[in-house]
Amino acid sequence: AVQLVESGGGLVQPGKSLKLSCSASGFTFRSYGMHWIRQAPGKGPDWVAYISSNSGTVYADAVKERFTISRDNAENTLYLQLNSLKSEDTAIYYCARSLGLGGVDWGQGVMVTVSS
Amino acid sequence: DIQMTQSPASLSASLEEIVTITCQASQDIGNWLAWYQQKPGKSPQLLIYGATSLVDGVPSRFSGSRSGTQYSLKISRLQVEDIGIYYCLQAYSGLTFGSGTKLEIK
Repeated sequence: AVQLVESGGGLVQPGKSLKLSCSASGFTFRSYGMHWIRQAPGKGPDWVAYISSNSGTVYADAVKERFTISRDNAENTLYLQLNSLKSEDTAIYYCARSLGLGGVDWGQGVMVTVSS
Repeated sequence: DIQMTQSPASLSASLEEIVTITCQASQDIGNWLAWYQQKPGKSPQLLIYGATSLVDGVPSRFSGSRSGTQYSLKISRLQVEDIGIYYCLQAYSGLTFGSGTKLEIK
């Protein structure tokens, strides 16, 4: 079965950094594009970033220049480096596998809280 | 950027009733549209992809349709387990979610 397990979340002060990881299993990781999607408390999901199977990247305007998505195909792991964090970055961050035609497999999510 | 306008924001319906949720895309997105159900404390679950294709294991009372740039999710006979928040998602260019529809039982 497909599994996506996020880790690395927690409480962090504004302006600081955090690195999220997503361990993938149950599928050929290197063959799939991957997303990070976040959901602020009580709000709908918002797309954050995408990395293709050949490591091309795209970012939402709200995180461009602050967040970096990357992948390690040898370790079946997806990453998100979060820099210059703001209170509005507080959310559950989901790792997601792109299936095409809008289909996305989601992990269980990891909470990031930005607060002093 | 592509905008997705989802309606209604909330919906209260009786068991066995037919329920319809719609999403209007701001431009042509072809069939790059999916529907998700989210329950409290859980990640969203895929119901429909490619505008009309039902995911294996999802009850057949769920169906998706498209008319131009308007997309609809229909639940033909509402059941208790269908309560939750429903989101559409366009994946034609980046990902854009609709604002969500909270479905409750009357």
